[in-house]
Amino acid sequence: QSALTQPASVSGSPGQSITISCTGTSGDVGGYHYVSWYQQHPGKAPQVMIYDVYYRPSGVSNRFSGSKSGNTASLTISGLQAEDEADYYCTSYTRSGATYVFGTGTKVTVL
Amino acid sequence: EEQLVQSGAEVRKPGESLKISCKGSGYSFTTYWIGWVRQMPGKGLEWMGIIYFADSNTKYSPSFQGQVTISADRSISTAYLQWSSLEASDTAIYFCAGARNGNFFWDVWGQGTTVTVSS
Repeated sequence: QSALTQPASVSGSPGQSITISCTGTSGDVGGYHYVSWYQQHPGKAPQVMIYDVYYRPSGVSNRFSGSKSGNTASLTISGLQAEDEADYYCTSYTRSGATYVFGTGTKVTVL
Repeated sequence: EEQLVQSGAEVRKPGESLKISCKGSGYSFTTYWIGWVRQMPGKGLEWMGIIYFADSNTKYSPSFQGQVTISADRSISTAYLQWSSLEASDTAIYFCAGARNGNFFWDVWGQGTTVTVSS
């Protein structure tokens, strides 16, 4: 069971849009609609930003959106703000062990 | 409001045993899955395993099978993560997370428990 692949870092200026990819296999991302995305600020617990590929929990800004194509899911942050600077992780339900697998994590920097 | 409250930081020597806890409050967690997540210093998140409060059905990620034990006491809405013989490489922050049965995302998180294993 290998971790899902994410870019190590993504950066953008305030107001810009950025997209983070999350690539897995047909046994996880490609096989299920159960991809979720988590934001983690330093020293804090993760917080869900997107679930089931593209649904937003109440209270999460509509600047965050999700999508999926084949074995790759994506998180887009539009209108980038300083408070968006954090680590982001995707996770997917996986056939292997009937449990979950995280992505490798992406550090988002707001320039 | 649902909350998961974890036990406090622990310092142990290699070879010692340890059991940390994650207690749910503000809601009946009987129909929740609880997952345990490891974050080693400066590294990413890793799923260790999940347990269903209602019947203690437990699933381990392959990397952690046989390395730890996950258990739960639904009468006190508390899940546990246990080691029988710690190693220095177990030094990490451990988070518990909750997902309602039928959901496949984790919307309630504990504050994390720091475990330090050092001689």
